[in-house]
Amino acid sequence: DIQMTQSPSTLSASVGDRVTITCRATENISKWLAWYQQKPGKAPKLLIYKASSLESGVPSRFSGSGSGTEFTLTISSLQPDDFATYYCQNQEWQFGHGTKVEIK
Amino acid sequence: EVHLVESGGGLVEPGGSLRLSCAASGFVFSDAWMSWVRQAPGKGLEWVGRIEGKSDGGATHYAAPVRGRSTISRDTSQNTLYLEMNSLKSEDTAVYYCTTDVTGSPIWGQGTMVTVSS
Repeated sequence: DIQMTQSPSTLSASVGDRVTITCRATENISKWLAWYQQKPGKAPKLLIYKASSLESGVPSRFSGSGSGTEFTLTISSLQPDDFATYYCQNQEWQFGHGTKVEIK
Repeated sequence: EVHLVESGGGLVEPGGSLRLSCAASGFVFSDAWMSWVRQAPGKGLEWVGRIEGKSDGGATHYAAPVRGRSTISRDTSQNTLYLEMNSLKSEDTAVYYCTTDVTGSPIWGQGTMVTVSS
């Protein structure tokens, strides 16, 4: 199985900060990567698919990039609603362990 | 519109069995690769297993923690996906989601909660 490694595991940031989360795959997965946001008690919400395609309805401050084995999720200006846990996922439905974005 | 609706969760005793269902609509179900994903309370997302599309052979694959005690199947006449698990353990307690990427982007159901406890 392809393993996914996310970093950092926890991130402390302030409203307005630019935030970047990294996801690395143990094998080349081309652009088959998705990013999710999850809040406690809720189902994961799709943000980005195919590495850089923004899901309909997701604010444009979220963006994804990368291909092959290294990917990033960027939040250009962190908003109060963005404090949550973020996961990456490959085409085999393998997930990273999550990045918790906390208030600094 | 693609829609997935899980059912069948509930309270099960350790060592017991369950069958989860996922009603699918809005796409050609027989050819879709379908997966089950779970999330234990306070934990991350974990792939459970998948079934390949019928035209690709329909093979099933399982994650190590459930392999040998889980079966994924589909009823194409009912457009329904199933997950059967036996010898349930407390660590199987989780929300179970039915998923697919048949449209090119990931689609999830709303999830069904399974609690394994005496």
